Amino acid sequence: GESVGLHLPTLSVQEGDNSIINCAYSNSASDYFIWYKQESGKGPQFIIDIRSNMDKRQGQRVTVLLNKTVKHLSLQIAATQPGDSAVYFCAENIGDSNYQLIWGAGTKLIIKP
Amino acid sequence: EAGVTQSPTHLIKTRGQQATLRCSPISGHTSVYWYQQALGLGLQFLLWYDEGEERNRGNFPPRFSGRQFPNYSSELNVNALELEDSALYLCASSFRRAATEAFFGQGTRLTVV
Repeated sequence: GESVGLHLPTLSVQEGDNSIINCAYSNSASDYFIWYKQESGKGPQFIIDIRSNMDKRQGQRVTVLLNKTVKHLSLQIAATQPGDSAVYFCAENIGDSNYQLIWGAGTKLIIKP
Repeated sequence: EAGVTQSPTHLIKTRGQQATLRCSPISGHTSVYWYQQALGLGLQFLLWYDEGEERNRGNFPPRFSGRQFPNYSSELNVNALELEDSALYLCASSFRRAATEAFFGQGTRLTVV
């Protein structure tokens, strides 16, 4: 069935370095992808989204790349800061106005001082 | 501006009991989504309400039910609780269906003993 999975459950990055969090999806019909950040004890917080007609989208210190050929999604965080420590989830939406997102298990980002 | 609020924050029930979880969306949002997040896992879609009606339902048994009130607040009811229902239940809200970004509440931690 459809699934969104993450390659690495935990990612340790030196403060100031760039972080890259990867995500694989299996449904070629997915047309919308979102990255959320969840800090300990809080609900998920929207980071950035991208539609399937785009390959790249940039936000503030974050960039999402979409490779539809290999069904791969990545989140790049520039100059990682201690406040970036969280679990990052990717999610895909399969068509129309249905907001039934399929979520991955999450990647825990650890920032080393 | 108040965000999505959920109550209670924590809830402890015994197996077989019923649990009621509440969610108040951001003012102006008409769509409410419920998710279950088991420990260490991603979010599993439960229910989506818009304009007082159930629009979509995830792959959960019928003992998971809910409703949306005229003021767009929502309740999630879980009957005949089982130990594996222990999880963080998250509510999110957005503008009318087909919206993109959804805002999450802090969640209700349900523990079934």
